Amino acid sequence: EAQVTQNPRYLITVTGKKLTVTCSQNMNHEYMSWYRQDPGLGLRQIYYSMNVEVTDKGDVPEGYKVSRKEKRNFPLILESPSPNQTSLYFCASSPIRGQGVGYTFGSGTRLTVV
Amino acid sequence: GENVEQHPSTLSVQEGDSAVIKCTYSDSASNYFPWYKQELGKRPQLIIDIRSNVGEKKDQRIAVTLNKTAKHFSLHITETQPEDSAVYFCAASREDKIIFGKGTRLHILP
Repeated sequence: EAQVTQNPRYLITVTGKKLTVTCSQNMNHEYMSWYRQDPGLGLRQIYYSMNVEVTDKGDVPEGYKVSRKEKRNFPLILESPSPNQTSLYFCASSPIRGQGVGYTFGSGTRLTVV
Repeated sequence: GENVEQHPSTLSVQEGDSAVIKCTYSDSASNYFPWYKQELGKRPQLIIDIRSNVGEKKDQRIAVTLNKTAKHFSLHITETQPEDSAVYFCAASREDKIIFGKGTRLHILP
């Protein structure tokens, strides 16, 4: 089954403790992206990747890192999480480079930083 | 910077009536306009999309219209049903970027 898999689904952590949210897709998609969703603010792009070893900042990249060493994986790293990073996170992938064509979203990760 | 405005933020319609959600975009280079539906606690899912060389597209009860000159596009849902209750997001995309609207929460009243 074609899908984008995110882990974990729920995470509660403490301020300053490094964490990684994993994202993996099995559709051989070139384009992958991370979003955060907050009430009243919609979906805001954190980082995106056009292909392996190619990543770029989205609209709200501060406090986040990503890597794209393999085509299928695009982990989101919070080196020192803070409470303002409490949010619902979605990973997404698309087969066509640079566009939202056929965007498939992961199931989401609800992160709470206390 | 580029942005996508979406209205209304909340919409309540009687079951069986039509619902219309409108979006405007600022980046004239945008050439692809998808709509996503997000049910409570679930991921956004693509429900319909339109490219800039098309003015209208329909899929059963859902249709999208695009006015490139005015830079706005709309989602139309006819004969609404309880399962249409969700948050709907519009988006405008160009080669290297996609920008989402802030979403519309649609309530279908019995």
